Amino acid sequence: GAVVSQHPSWVICKSGTSVKIECRSLDFQATTMFWYRQFPKQSLMLMATSNEGSKATYEQGVEKDKFLINHASLTLSTLTVTSAHPEDSSFYICSAPDRGNTIYFGEGSWLTVV
Amino acid sequence: GNSVTQMEGPVTLSEEAFLTINCTYTATGYPSLFWYVQYPGEGLQLLLKATKADDKGSNKGFEATYRKETTSFHLEKGSVQVSDSAVYFCALNRPPNSGGSNYKLTFGKGTLLTVNP
Repeated sequence: GAVVSQHPSWVICKSGTSVKIECRSLDFQATTMFWYRQFPKQSLMLMATSNEGSKATYEQGVEKDKFLINHASLTLSTLTVTSAHPEDSSFYICSAPDRGNTIYFGEGSWLTVV
Repeated sequence: GNSVTQMEGPVTLSEEAFLTINCTYTATGYPSLFWYVQYPGEGLQLLLKATKADDKGSNKGFEATYRKETTSFHLEKGSVQVSDSAVYFCALNRPPNSGGSNYKLTFGKGTLLTVNP
């Protein structure tokens, strides 16, 4: 079946640095991908919609300049957390719908900022 | 706006027990409804879905029926196994023609299920 893959699965970075997380659709093309964040014991909160070939659309309260999203191809979206701080430590997960309108999620990426 | 309410966890059961995780929703129109499962340290996996009223989604022994009259989509399994231990999320998407992407999901807070041998 369709697979969405994220990389890296785990990343630790120093406060003030930037970190990039990739989301790939492995066997289907995705013009749209979604980025969610999940804090411990909380639900997933939608951060932004990644649109291939155009700017991402962000949910209210999400800083565009801090969470840079690039959707360079039909199979790849990247989320860059810029100038990361400990409060950005979270589980980030992406999703993409296939042509059959089934939404698939990546494995998720654990970010720890120290 | 759309919202999903799940029963509070954690839920602890013995193997072969019957499972029900309640989920109710608020939405305009007719959203599709989903149950996702998140195993420890992993991402979400689609467990089952239903796209219209009275549809029953089923997978791996789990079932849920889309009840428009009670705005519910309760998850059930007749006999749970230790391997079912995970967090279960109920979710819905925007109904068609409601404006905006219908791939954006609204999630409940999740219910942690622990099954003991």
